[in-house]
Amino acid sequence: SQELEQSPQSLIVQEGKNLTINCTSSKTLYGLYWYKQKYGEGLIFLMMLQKGGEEKSHEKITAKLDEKKQQSSLHITASQPSHAGIYLCGAARMKTSYDKVIFGPGTSLSVIP
Amino acid sequence: NAGVMQNPRHLVRRRGQEARLRCSPMKGHSHVYWYRQLPEEGLKFMVYLQKENIIDESGMPKERFSAEFPKEGPSILRIQQVVRGDSAAYFCASSPPGAYTGTEAFFGQGTRLTVV
Repeated sequence: SQELEQSPQSLIVQEGKNLTINCTSSKTLYGLYWYKQKYGEGLIFLMMLQKGGEEKSHEKITAKLDEKKQQSSLHITASQPSHAGIYLCGAARMKTSYDKVIFGPGTSLSVIP
Repeated sequence: NAGVMQNPRHLVRRRGQEARLRCSPMKGHSHVYWYRQLPEEGLKFMVYLQKENIIDESGMPKERFSAEFPKEGPSILRIQQVVRGDSAAYFCASSPPGAYTGTEAFFGQGTRLTVV
């Protein structure tokens, strides 16, 4: 069963538009990661959230983790073609020791100039 | 400080041959994770290793697949008698010793295996 769900599965937006990608789990998460993958390439780390209610921003990308630590959103403001790619959320499920990161299925983003 | 290095970047094997994928973690990192990304699918965890130890292999197929991370040298993911269904991108990630939940794992560029 898929432990992490992402929505939408794919997204096509006009350049300059804002967009949001969601990541949800039925279980509490310890360490929520957002990565970006360019087609045919490796993963680029974007942000990591740990605390309930935490929010981080980097350039035009903002990620939030809800208070229950079961849902995260990634928001891109004024999208650009360089934002295109696959966005993956990942999470660890153990608090006390390093656990493997489990990934969601990904959200494919296309930005039309 | 070089990142996680994987080689080869592309590997073509005929059915029945062996595939050896190498991963050199970042300097000072002693935790290595292998993931597989099948076409049109997400990243699936395969195995987690620390130096000379397999910590979690719950995602490894029961047959033909093995992984090691020796005291010296890179981590190796070995696939014996490859079949077409093994064609995928294999990614390696590493993190430092004493890592706790919340530590970023750095990913390599992946090895794309094609079985013909």
